[in-house]
Amino acid sequence: AQSVSQHNHHVILSEAASLELGCNYSYGGTVNLFWYVQYPGQHLQLLLKYFSGDPLVKGIKGFEAEFIKSKFSFNLRKPSVQWSDTAEYFCAVKGGSQGNLIFGKGTKLSVKP
Amino acid sequence: DSGVTQTPKHLITATGQRVTLRCSPRSGDLSVYWYQQSLDQGLQFLIQYYNGEERAKGNILERFSAQQFPDLHSELNLSSLELGDSALYFCASSGLDREGYGYTFGSGTRLTVV
Repeated sequence: AQSVSQHNHHVILSEAASLELGCNYSYGGTVNLFWYVQYPGQHLQLLLKYFSGDPLVKGIKGFEAEFIKSKFSFNLRKPSVQWSDTAEYFCAVKGGSQGNLIFGKGTKLSVKP
Repeated sequence: DSGVTQTPKHLITATGQRVTLRCSPRSGDLSVYWYQQSLDQGLQFLIQYYNGEERAKGNILERFSAQQFPDLHSELNLSSLELGDSALYFCASSGLDREGYGYTFGSGTRLTVV
């Protein structure tokens, strides 16, 4: 069965610090990979997605992620975080013929001003 | 506004009761997915419908059921409610021809069972 692991439960950073959130998945075939963000009290919003091609994917709000197939990883990065990036971040995978997304447990990011 | 509408936003009910959550997908999207988000389990996939037919099933309890109507809106029915059913229930939609292009989520229904 597919699964997604997010290594960090809670990350605390100061503004302007660099961010990297880890995500590993287990699925041997072709995958589509996603990062979603959930601001407090809001719905999930798509940050970026990978289907094929360039393994370095750029998303909204200055976020990017790199797909490393050999490591089954899809880590999220941002060079300089802002207080407004405080939110919960979810990695998700869609593999094979299944249409549904499988989510990781999420990483809560707190950015101190 | 994401284009996916969920009602009600909040629901408080007693144990043993039955509730219905409603979801209207984004215009043109044929697939609807239901997810349950709780603190201990994270986001769990419950069930998917495509154009009125059940397409995939996840960790959905037998006390829960869903359907998708001809106008493509979907309802999730939760019965014999228990305290542990308290959670945020999200609906998402996706178009089949854009299946690889992400999923749009609604704002969720927060269910509290007391």
